[in-house]
Amino acid sequence: AQTVTQSQPEMSVQEAETVTLSCTYDTSESDYYLFWYKQPPSRQMILVIRQEAYKQQNATENRFSVNFQKAAKSFSLKISDSQLGDAAMYFCALDKLTFGKGTLLTVNP
Amino acid sequence: KAGVTQTPRYLIKTRGQQVTLSCSPISGHRSVSWYQQTPGQGLQFLFEYFSETQRNKGNFPGRFSGRQFSNSRSEMNVSTLELGDSALYLCASSIGQAPRGYTFGSGTRLTVV
Repeated sequence: AQTVTQSQPEMSVQEAETVTLSCTYDTSESDYYLFWYKQPPSRQMILVIRQEAYKQQNATENRFSVNFQKAAKSFSLKISDSQLGDAAMYFCALDKLTFGKGTLLTVNP
Repeated sequence: KAGVTQTPRYLIKTRGQQVTLSCSPISGHRSVSWYQQTPGQGLQFLFEYFSETQRNKGNFPGRFSGRQFSNSRSEMNVSTLELGDSALYLCASSIGQAPRGYTFGSGTRLTVV
């Protein structure tokens, strides 16, 4: 069975600072996708970043980047230059089927 | 380009009733997945449909069912509602089955009283 664990239920960061959200996972597959999704109070899940397991290079999307450690089954999200609009619940996901419980990110002005 | 549309946005039902939720995917998307989101359990996968066929199913009782029509629109049905079925139900669509990322709708908030 696949599992995704987000060990930080809540995190906070000062505006313009950097924050890292943790995610570990377990799967017996060798090829898979990992995702970070953001869910603001509007409820809609928004794809932040995607990583294909067979690619060793860490994915980046503007201020968002990941640290993908396949052997350790770790997939952390780094948000640089945090903005007030980054405040949301962040979910780590493995393929389509398995999501972590989420990390609530607060951005302090 | 219209996003994923879920209707209704909010729904209140009584225990024992049944409910049908609707999801219209992005035009051209043929895969639709459904999820249940609750504060206690987080996001849980319900099922996935592709080209009118159920491709994957999560660990939910048979009271939860779904279908997909030829235009890729999908419906989800829950029969004999229980209080524990109160949740946000999210639908997501993608072009194909490969999990390269998918677009979510805003969800239907179901409250069972």
